[in-house]
Amino acid sequence: SQQGEEDPQALSIQEGENATMNCSYKTSINNLQWYRQNSGRGLVHLILIRSNEREKHSGRLRVTLDTSKKSSSLLITASRAADTASYFCATDSLIMNTGFQKLVFGTGTRLLVSP
Amino acid sequence: DGGITQSPKYLFRKEGQNVTLSCEQNLNHDAMYWYRQDPGQGLRLIYYSQIVNDFQKGDIAEGYSVSREKKESFPLTVTSAQKNPTAFYLCASSIGGYHQPQHFGDGTRLSIL
Repeated sequence: SQQGEEDPQALSIQEGENATMNCSYKTSINNLQWYRQNSGRGLVHLILIRSNEREKHSGRLRVTLDTSKKSSSLLITASRAADTASYFCATDSLIMNTGFQKLVFGTGTRLLVSP
Repeated sequence: DGGITQSPKYLFRKEGQNVTLSCEQNLNHDAMYWYRQDPGQGLRLIYYSQIVNDFQKGDIAEGYSVSREKKESFPLTVTSAQKNPTAFYLCASSIGGYHQPQHFGDGTRLSIL
């Protein structure tokens, strides 16, 4: 089952504009992660935010987390054509009786940044 | 450079054939994972391994098998029992434990002849 659902499914913007993607999830979490996937490639980890954090920055990326609303947002500022990719949120999910946490991925937002 | 290497990049399977996808990492990570990605979809967990000589089924393990004889290697076999194997397969690894990111290979695209 997929816990995270990204919104919008697709986003098309011009270079220099900001891009905002949202992720909603269903159950309580310890952390939420954002990944980027270029077409035909593997995923690249962008940022991890813990459940006791509200905001985190990394370069042009800003992630917020609202555990009361079970939602997160990823903001990419001053976007570039190279930011064109799919973006996925992933939440941790504890596997019963193992102490092991797996990641549950959403369906992703496809971002197109035009020059 | 440390990383995860998946091979081959493209693989074709005939009906009734088993095929094995390779995944090697030199990051010294304990945990390794296999995911399946269908077009326009997120990733679904097939198998995971927390440590050498141990592995567990994920959400969609039917028709797949794995082994973890070495820390660096976690091959995935797609058996003939998997009736819809066409997908993009991704291998990942992590240090293990909580609050750790996963590092991904560049995937193997499997198609049916």
